[in-house]
Parts: sequence; structure tokens; C-alpha cells
Amino acid sequence: DAGITQSPRHKVTETGTPVTLRCHQTENHRYMYWYRQDPGHGLRLIHYSYGVKDTDKGEVSDGYSVSRSKTEDFLLTLESATSSQTSVYFCAISGGDGYTFGSGTRLTVV
Amino acid sequence: EDQVTQSPEALRLQEGESSSLNCSYTVSGLRGLFWYRQDPGKGPEFLFTLYSAGEEKEKERLKATLTKKESFLHITAPKPEDSATYLCAVRGDSSYKLIFGSGTRLLVRP
Repeated sequence: DAGITQSPRHKVTETGTPVTLRCHQTENHRYMYWYRQDPGHGLRLIHYSYGVKDTDKGEVSDGYSVSRSKTEDFLLTLESATSSQTSVYFCAISGGDGYTFGSGTRLTVV
Repeated sequence: EDQVTQSPEALRLQEGESSSLNCSYTVSGLRGLFWYRQDPGKGPEFLFTLYSAGEEKEKERLKATLTKKESFLHITAPKPEDSATYLCAVRGDSSYKLIFGSGTRLLVRP
């Protein structure tokens, strides 16, 4: 999607290992979000940021941490990955009339 | 608590067979109701934002309407390329977060 990129696109990791997902935007938007998407649950908010070093928890934040040291980058870290964190992770930015989503990271924890 | 419920979960239509998708919501102070389209393996793609009851927006074969309790996405004479999952989300006056429904999977057969 224009203006927002996620990396990596796919990742397989082992239980107990740390994992960091990256979201990068070129739109200079203040607000950035991390969601996870699972069958039957839709998109659920993990964490969001309302500025550099300003973050807050969403509805499913346990086991996740975030950091935002620059306006353009929002990192999501799984400190010790578990199988329940196998999911598709989407980053989003808000600005104007709508919210723009990235293409997602498919994470598998084995 | 803000909540969004979408129905039906899945819908199969013949090409040209018009229908509607429903999004019921409860939110404290609606700041926007959003419709997204999501194709397999991709991030949600923004379609519409509605802000107040009575508002309507159109894009090609899609028309979104809003009341104080629900929104409808009307699909007129659908084509197979309209097959996707359609997501509804709301934003309340308490924050910039979007709360999503579980989506409606639409399949349009030629």
C-alpha cells in the first residue's frame, strides 16, 4: 500500500524466541496502530501510538510491546513468542478520511 | 463498550443479483463508521467513511448508508471481481482507535 510498508511479509519462528515486526510510513502521520487478524475474531487492536515515544495498549496487548523512536517507524515486539501469537499482523496509519493498512506480516510460531 | 456486529458471516450471490450487508454497532459518540474491502492475503482497502445518520456514499456498484444503529453496504448487480471480505469498523469519541466487526465473506459466481 502506498505510504506504508511492513517487514517481513512472512516469518516462521520457534516458541520462546523474540520477534520484532516493523512498520514504516512515509506519510508523516501522527497515529500508528498494530492489529492482529484471526479467523472468527476479525481485526483486534494490539497497541497504538499517538506520537514519538507515545504509545498505549489496545484490547489484546498481553505478550506484546511496541516502540516508536521516529515518526516513520513503529515496531512490534513479541518478547517470547507463543503458539497463540500465530496470526497475521497489520499496521495502520490514520489521516484524512480513512485509515490506511499495510499488506500484513504472516507470523507462524512453531 | 464499543461493539460492531456484521451479518451475514458469508454470502453467495449470482452475478447481477443485488443484496445488502449489515453492520450493527454500539459506540459512545460516533466519530465515523468505516467500510473496508479485504482480498485474500492483502490488507484492508478503504472504501467509505460515514459520519452521521442519513449519510450515504457510493462507489461504482457499492452504496453505503448509515442510521443511528446500523449501516448497510448495498451491492448492485455484483460482478465476480466484487468477491472479497467486507469489513465494518467504528471510531468513538473516546479515542482514535477503530473497532472492527468480524466481516462478511462475499462470493459472486459468474
